[in-house]
Amino acid sequence: GDSVTQTEGLVTLTEGLPVMLNCTYQTIYSNPFLFWYVQHLNESPRLLLKSFTDNKRTEHQGFHATLHKSSSSFHLQKSSAQLSDSALYYCALSDYNVLYFGSGTKLTVEP
Amino acid sequence: NAGVIQTPRHKVTGKGQEATLWCEPISGHSAVFWYRQTIVQGLEFLTYFRNQAPIDDSGMPKERFSAQMPNQSHSTLKIQSTQPQDSAVYLCASSSGGAGDTQYFGPGTRLLVL
Repeated sequence: GDSVTQTEGLVTLTEGLPVMLNCTYQTIYSNPFLFWYVQHLNESPRLLLKSFTDNKRTEHQGFHATLHKSSSSFHLQKSSAQLSDSALYYCALSDYNVLYFGSGTKLTVEP
Repeated sequence: NAGVIQTPRHKVTGKGQEATLWCEPISGHSAVFWYRQTIVQGLEFLTYFRNQAPIDDSGMPKERFSAQMPNQSHSTLKIQSTQPQDSAVYLCASSSGGAGDTQYFGPGTRLLVL
């Protein structure tokens, strides 16, 4: 079945340093949708960015990710972390509608 | 647009009691999803409806859990004979129903079973 792997459970960074959160996936579908959702403390998940197109960079709010079907990856990156980026980040996969989430990465950005 | 509405926001039940959770999707959205979030299991899909019809309930525990969508403006998730392991945040989301459409999550219902 479909699955998403996020290898880092916890990431702690100093403000201003680059962010990279890993996401790989497994699916039988040749055209999956990949998503990054962000969940701040005491809030519900909200979409950060999504992609369907192989090798195309997607950007939103300073974050970017590129879907690479050859390596089944959709890593999230940002050039310079901000204190407000501290949150739980979920990578998710969909073949049509249902979202299958990874285990999440808790990002903490320190001054 | 009020977003997805979920009630109650918090619910405490005793073991063996029934819990009913309500969700009002964003007006005009045809797809409604239920997810469960726990620290141990993370975010898990439970079930979803499109145009009020049940489409996929593969994530629902086969016993004690049921979901309905009697009209386009609300869906319910019912848990019979609640158990402590049912304690979780239950999240409802809605979307326009197309492939890959963004799902908008409600604030969730935090269920605690004592």
